[in-house]
Amino acid sequence: QSVLTQPPSVSGAPGQRVTISCTGSSSNIGAGYDVHWYQQLPGTAPKLLIYDNSNRPSGVPDRFSGSKSGTSASLAISGLQAEDEADYYCQSYDSSLSGSVFGGGTKLTVL
Amino acid sequence: QLQLQESGPGLVKPSETLSLTCTVSGGSFSSSSYYWGWIRQPPEKGLEWIGSIYFSGSTYYNPSLKSRVTISVDTSKNQFSLKLSSVTAADTAVYYCARHVVRYFDHWGQGTLVTVSS
Repeated sequence: QSVLTQPPSVSGAPGQRVTISCTGSSSNIGAGYDVHWYQQLPGTAPKLLIYDNSNRPSGVPDRFSGSKSGTSASLAISGLQAEDEADYYCQSYDSSLSGSVFGGGTKLTVL
Repeated sequence: QLQLQESGPGLVKPSETLSLTCTVSGGSFSSSSYYWGWIRQPPEKGLEWIGSIYFSGSTYYNPSLKSRVTISVDTSKNQFSLKLSSVTAADTAVYYCARHVVRYFDHWGQGTLVTVSS
């Protein structure tokens, strides 16, 4: 059971917009710790997609955006493309565990 | 361009110690801005942070693994290492090393599969 909760799967048609939620608690997201998102394409290492809730590293398209509110965060992907089909993970810091925690991951299927 | 590369045995026997090394190139290994971390991913499962180390040797570990984990650093070789003792089949996973920018992991190695089996 992951400390951060994500839906196991989401799907959308090309061109559509999808969102992936990440729900935490008062010891992580709710305590004010930032949320970060990673994209893991099949057979590859995770890649940083969003850091500090809503910032994109250089090279990440602006179709990807992040937000945070209360004990939850969301990743939004607009203008869905076939190449976006991947697993997405959220990550934060947990004060009760004194370390980094990940969500269980969400598999995005592009229909 | 910063690169990280994991190395070590791909097969470890139950009850023995898993040992991996991460070699960092193309960047400043001893920068005060970064930690260096290990993350693992069991087959078909999610990511689990194992622990991280500062270039000075300061470490912090996942409490669930702390009793079995040791992470060390060799700044002369731009390397940091992971030792996980008393392994079982549950420790079978792809192990990644990554640069830990205190809050997030911005550069990852390609990962190495370690199987625990007799």
